[in-house]
Amino acid sequence: QSVLTQPPSASGTPGQRVTISCSGSSSNIGSNTVNWYQQLPGTAPKLLIYSNNQRPSGVPDRFSGSKSGTSASLAISGLQSEDEADYYCAAWDDSLNGLYVFGTGTKVTVL
Amino acid sequence: QVQLVQSGAEVKKPGSSVKVSCKASGGTFTTYDITWVRQAPGQGLEWMGRIIPTVDTTNYAQKFQGRVAFTADKSTSTAYMELSRLRSEDTAVYYCARGTLVISITGGTNYYFDSWGQGTLVTVSS
Repeated sequence: QSVLTQPPSASGTPGQRVTISCSGSSSNIGSNTVNWYQQLPGTAPKLLIYSNNQRPSGVPDRFSGSKSGTSASLAISGLQSEDEADYYCAAWDDSLNGLYVFGTGTKVTVL
Repeated sequence: QVQLVQSGAEVKKPGSSVKVSCKASGGTFTTYDITWVRQAPGQGLEWMGRIIPTVDTTNYAQKFQGRVAFTADKSTSTAYMELSRLRSEDTAVYYCARGTLVISITGGTNYYFDSWGQGTLVTVSS
């Protein structure tokens, strides 16, 4: 089961800013960096943000990530219809049970 | 950019085993690790573990220990995931992905997956 908690859903109209939170603990987000993945319907996940706030080549700068303490956030500014997808945070976990953990996932809907 | 191509869908009986392959092209297979992630229907992502092909080292999520085995054939740049004693709850799409692990100088581990296979649907049904 996921040890990183995300809201199940978020929504916005085109052009709006949407923020997704990710809450963890000292053994994962508190000690290690956070990554974010985007999963469009029926496709494999795609790396969106790594090392808390770095964008891989090709990812629009509308996507940004941040981390503070044991929580992290993903912001999507200038929301577009093609951003409708599931978003997952993830981090290395130093506890014996984990090693790597994903968030519960957030479904973003563009109204 | 490495590309990962997985084997096709499988239908298995409860109690049997399944072996999924993941072939890498582009890049050097032995300079990164291969991680396995699964996703049950309508559910989130679940990390199963990883293999480092250069040294054949594996790490398994505690949930799967004893029931899963990762192997890698460096000569064909192909990684394998075998899951045994299948049950209906193992019905899921199984993904392989390229893992990059970096230990920062300030401490902390960054581990992320920048290339993914297309996924393999494994259905467990009697």
